[in-house]
Amino acid sequence: GAVVSQHPSWVICKSGTSVKIECRSLDFQATTMFWYRQFPKQSLMLMATSNEGSKATYEQGVEKDKFLINHASLTLSTLTVTSAHPEDSSFYICSARDWLDEQFFGPGTRLTVL
Amino acid sequence: AQSVTQLGSHVSVSEGALVLLRCNYSSSVPPYLFWYVQYPNQGLQLLLKYTSAATLVKGINGFEAEFKKSETSFHLTKPSAHMSDAAEYFCAVSPLGGGYNKLIFGAGTRLAVHP
Repeated sequence: GAVVSQHPSWVICKSGTSVKIECRSLDFQATTMFWYRQFPKQSLMLMATSNEGSKATYEQGVEKDKFLINHASLTLSTLTVTSAHPEDSSFYICSARDWLDEQFFGPGTRLTVL
Repeated sequence: AQSVTQLGSHVSVSEGALVLLRCNYSSSVPPYLFWYVQYPNQGLQLLLKYTSAATLVKGINGFEAEFKKSETSFHLTKPSAHMSDAAEYFCAVSPLGGGYNKLIFGAGTRLAVHP
């Protein structure tokens, strides 16, 4: 099956800094990628839909200026958490949609903000 | 709005016993339905999906699920649990007509398998 990678797999940063997370579709092109957030022992919550070459669509309640999404190519989407704070600590998971409309999930990135 | 309810946040079974994880959805029309498995600190792996074809869907690792429109359910089953089945399981729904667009996830069910 299709493979989606995320980098880094984990990151620890100081409060106030920005962190960039990459999501790559390794063997297929993805015009659409999705970013999810998962708190400990909870379900995944969709944050935004990332479309190649256009602005991301954010879900209600997600601050677009805090969670910057860029989808510059058909195989790469990035999520930048700006001015991170401890409450942003979470597990961030991306998925990429292939031409058959199936979503493939990345392994996730665990962000810890001190 | 569509939603997914997973009954039972924790399910514990003995190795070799039947696994039954419950999922009910709310939708005015039959949506696409999915079951995913998540192992600790990993992303999600698709177990199986229903896309308006056969109501009994077979997936990987011996799992299957049956779509019952009258009950708005999509329960996941496996005849005989294995220790390696211990994980978190998520049921998800996607609006019909939107393909595999936004996925709305249930709260998840943690499956424990005891020897």
